[in-house]
Amino acid sequence: AQSVSQHNHHVILSEAASLELGCNYSYGGTVNLFWYVQYPGQHLQLLLKYFSGDPLVKGIKGFEAEFIKSKFSFNLRKPSVQWSDTAEYFCAVNAYSNTGKLIFGQGTTLQVKP
Amino acid sequence: DTEVTQTPKHLVMGMTNKKSLKCEQHMGHRAMYWYKQKAKKPPELMFVYSYEKLSINESVPSRFSPECPNSSLLNLHLHALQPEDSALYLCASSQETGTDTQYFGPGTRLTVL
Repeated sequence: AQSVSQHNHHVILSEAASLELGCNYSYGGTVNLFWYVQYPGQHLQLLLKYFSGDPLVKGIKGFEAEFIKSKFSFNLRKPSVQWSDTAEYFCAVNAYSNTGKLIFGQGTTLQVKP
Repeated sequence: DTEVTQTPKHLVMGMTNKKSLKCEQHMGHRAMYWYKQKAKKPPELMFVYSYEKLSINESVPSRFSPECPNSSLLNLHLHALQPEDSALYLCASSQETGTDTQYFGPGTRLTVL
C-alpha cells in the first residue's frame, strides 16, 4: 500500500535559520506530489506541487521543494524562516492509479522562535 | 479564485441529534471530497464524489451520509454520532478526480457530546 513518511515530527528553529523537512513516499509508479501548510486556526493551504518537468519547484512564501525520483523523496526547503512560518506542514502524494486518493504524511509541526 | 466554503464553522451536537455540514465551491470543479481531521493528525479521506456520483467511500460508518445535490454543493448528514467522531471535517474540491490539485475549505469543527 502507498504510504508517505515525514521524518521530522516537531522542528524548532530560530528566525533566519534554514529549514529542510523530509518527505519520502512508497509507490513505484507515477505520482503527483504536494506540500500543504496549516497555520494555527486556519485551513490547509497548498504551498507547492510537483506534477512533471523541473524537479525543483518553487511555491508561495519563499518555499521550494526538490523531487528526487531515485530516492522517492520530495523535501521541502526554505533558506530563512520567519516567525510567521510557524505551522503544521503536510506532505501528500497522489498516485496516477489512485482515483483521487490523496495520501498524507503524518505532518511536521514547525515552531519558529522570534 | 480557489475558494471552498464550509458552514457552519463550529457545531456542537448530542448523540441523538441530526445535523448537516455544507460545502460549496464555484470553481467549476467536478470532484469533491470529505475528510476528517483529528488534532495534530493528517486529514483522513472519507468520501469522494465525481460528477455528482459517489466514487469512493472509505468504509465510513453509516451514521455519516454524504449527498451531492449539484456540482457546486456537497453535504454531510450526521446522525447518532459518537463522542469519538468529534473532529475537524474538511471539504475539498479538484478539477477532476485522479491527480488534480485538491483545494480545501476551512472546515467545520464538530463536537459530539
